[in-house]
Amino acid sequence: DTGVSQNPRHKITKRGQNVTFRCDPISEHNRLYWYRQTLGQGPEFLTYFQNEAQLEKSRLLSDRFSAERPKGSFSTLEIQRTEQGDSAMYLCASSPGGTGEGSGYTFGSGTRLTVV
Amino acid sequence: QKEVEQDPGPLSVPEGAIVSLNCTYSNSAFQYFMWYRQYSRKGPELLMYTYSSGNKEDGRFTAQVDKSSKYISLFIRDSQPSDSATYLCAMRSGSYIPTFGRGTSLIVHP
Repeated sequence: DTGVSQNPRHKITKRGQNVTFRCDPISEHNRLYWYRQTLGQGPEFLTYFQNEAQLEKSRLLSDRFSAERPKGSFSTLEIQRTEQGDSAMYLCASSPGGTGEGSGYTFGSGTRLTVV
Repeated sequence: QKEVEQDPGPLSVPEGAIVSLNCTYSNSAFQYFMWYRQYSRKGPELLMYTYSSGNKEDGRFTAQVDKSSKYISLFIRDSQPSDSATYLCAMRSGSYIPTFGRGTSLIVHP
C-alpha cells in the first residue's frame, strides 16, 4: 500500500462544467476526509466518512458539492456547475480510528482544480 | 478571530539554525495537537502528534504544548535546506476532525 492516492493530480475546467475527483485511502483505514486548501491557507474540512456513512458535512459544502463512498473503500467528490471560486487544492485524508487515529492520519497529494 | 492562529511568515533562517514555529488557539477543548510539513504542491505530511500538555522529541524535532497558555510550538534543531516548506499546526478535541492553522512558510538558506 503506497498511501492515500488521489486522481487526477490536476484538473482544468471551464466555469459551469462538472468535475469529479477520486480518492483511494489506505486500505485498512475506515475513516476518510475531504478538505479544500487555497493558497496561503490551511486545509478546511469539507466532509467525513466512516466506512460508507457520511457522518459530517461542513457548511462549506454547498449544494453543488456531493461526496460518496459507496462500498467504504474509495471516495468521489463531485462539484457541479463549477465557479471560479472553486479553484483550490482538494485534499483527501484517511485514518484508522481507535488508538491509531492521530498518528495514522494520512493525506494524499491532492487534486489541484483550476476553473477558467 | 480564528480558532487557530499561525503567523504565515515567511521565516528565513541560515542552515544550522534552531527554528521555532508557534500557534495559538482559543478552544480549550482541544487536546490533541499535530504538526504537519507541506512541500509545494504536495499534501501535508504528519511530523509530530501529541496529546495534552508537555514535550515530545523526535530526532531534530521537538513539539511543546502549553494548554494553560493555549500555545504550541515546534522546534527544529540544526535546520537544513530540505526543511524548507510550510509547517501547519493542527488540533482537535475528542472529535475526529482537526482544525488547521494557515501554515508558516520556512526558508532555510545554505
